[in-house]
Amino acid sequence: KAGVTQTPRYLIKTRGQQVTLSCSPISGHRSVSWYQQTPGQGLQFLFEYFSETQRNKGNFPGRFSGRQFSNSRSEMNVSTLELGDSALYLCASSLGELASYEQYFGPGTRLTVT
Amino acid sequence: SQQGEEDPQALSIQEGENATMNCSYKTSINNLQWYRQNSGRGLVHLILIRSNEREKHSGRLRVTLDTSKKSSSLLITASRAADTASYFCATGVKGGSGNTGKLIFGQGTTLQVKP
Repeated sequence: KAGVTQTPRYLIKTRGQQVTLSCSPISGHRSVSWYQQTPGQGLQFLFEYFSETQRNKGNFPGRFSGRQFSNSRSEMNVSTLELGDSALYLCASSLGELASYEQYFGPGTRLTVT
Repeated sequence: SQQGEEDPQALSIQEGENATMNCSYKTSINNLQWYRQNSGRGLVHLILIRSNEREKHSGRLRVTLDTSKKSSSLLITASRAADTASYFCATGVKGGSGNTGKLIFGQGTTLQVKP
């Protein structure tokens, strides 16, 4: 099976702009989660989607949003970018609920905000 | 603060030696998972141990879980240069009704294996 794919792999944006990141899960996986990884804060959970519904959300401002399509592909959007949004954004897919199944991660999207 | 705290933060050993990393957590868990991350890349799932299990093996990996002490350890035997990476523990914490719970990551241990 193909692994989790994320596009784009690298992105440079300017403060105030918005960005959309894409994630395609492993075939058959209906749960998609997003994480932000920075040197200072480590890996932080953003949100999880299952069958097009957001089931869980981390402690991030409303500028961070996401959605999931009927084919389980997911996108996350960050509006009004800030310098502190520079990070590696990781997407993960799994068979079922977040707390019970192993997560399969994509390679990440490296976002740099200038 | 993070659910999982890992110790040590950094570890440097010679090829062939064993590496042990520890993880402590604060709340009741459904399971505990270990992941590996090579520099700036995605995480790779290594092993999942459920709360009713005490030990699990996978190849050169051995994971123990002590729920009474709220701690886990990951042992890598006969380490290789290719094991150089960051290792993260993650605790699966059940949520309430309609909530699938969370997977909370620790800060990680950076392992360097010298050839």
